[in-house]
Amino acid sequence: EDKVVQSPLSLVVHEGDTVTLNCSYEVTNFRSLLWYKQEKKAPTFLFMLTSSGIEKKSGRLSSILDKKELFSILNITATQTGDSAIYLCALRESYGKLTFGQGTILTVHP
Amino acid sequence: DAEITQSPRHKITETGRQVTLACHQTWNHNNMFWYRQDLGHGLRLIHYSYGVQDTNKGEVSDGYSVSRSNTEDLPLTLESAASSQTSVYFCASGDRAGELFFGEGSRLTVL
Repeated sequence: EDKVVQSPLSLVVHEGDTVTLNCSYEVTNFRSLLWYKQEKKAPTFLFMLTSSGIEKKSGRLSSILDKKELFSILNITATQTGDSAIYLCALRESYGKLTFGQGTILTVHP
Repeated sequence: DAEITQSPRHKITETGRQVTLACHQTWNHNNMFWYRQDLGHGLRLIHYSYGVQDTNKGEVSDGYSVSRSNTEDLPLTLESAASSQTSVYFCASGDRAGELFFGEGSRLTVL
């Protein structure tokens, strides 16, 4: 059965800090790994990773996948209070279904 | 614009009552999913459907059922609500390889 483990479970930083969120996984047939950001309501999509070593980037956020060591990281540089959220990592093994990790709660103080 | 909507957004019920949470999407996606979210557990899959008349159990399906009579709707039914089913429920839809789109969530309290 697929397994997704995120670390740390919670993190408190100050504005301007850089953070790295981790996601490790176990899977039989890997298809893709996705990152979501969840504020008060619905999770919103950030990145989908399918190939090792290719960085996906959007503004201050970036993510990379290592399929040999079975992990992904999400980096946020120059954090802002608006980055405070739950960050969710999810694994797709087959045909659309996603298995989620526990999430990392990020709090950014001014 | 295409969207996915859930109702009700908040519900308080009593132990033993039947509850149905509605999910409606206008993306025309074949795949629809129900997840529950509890502190420390992330999102856990309850039931999912890959098309009309198709339903499948997820990792926490006990006490829940779904039906898929058309592409747009996947209602989630709690046959006899229990306090352990107090949670936030998210419906999602997507195609086989892309991202999932989530509804705004339904907060259910079982007293």
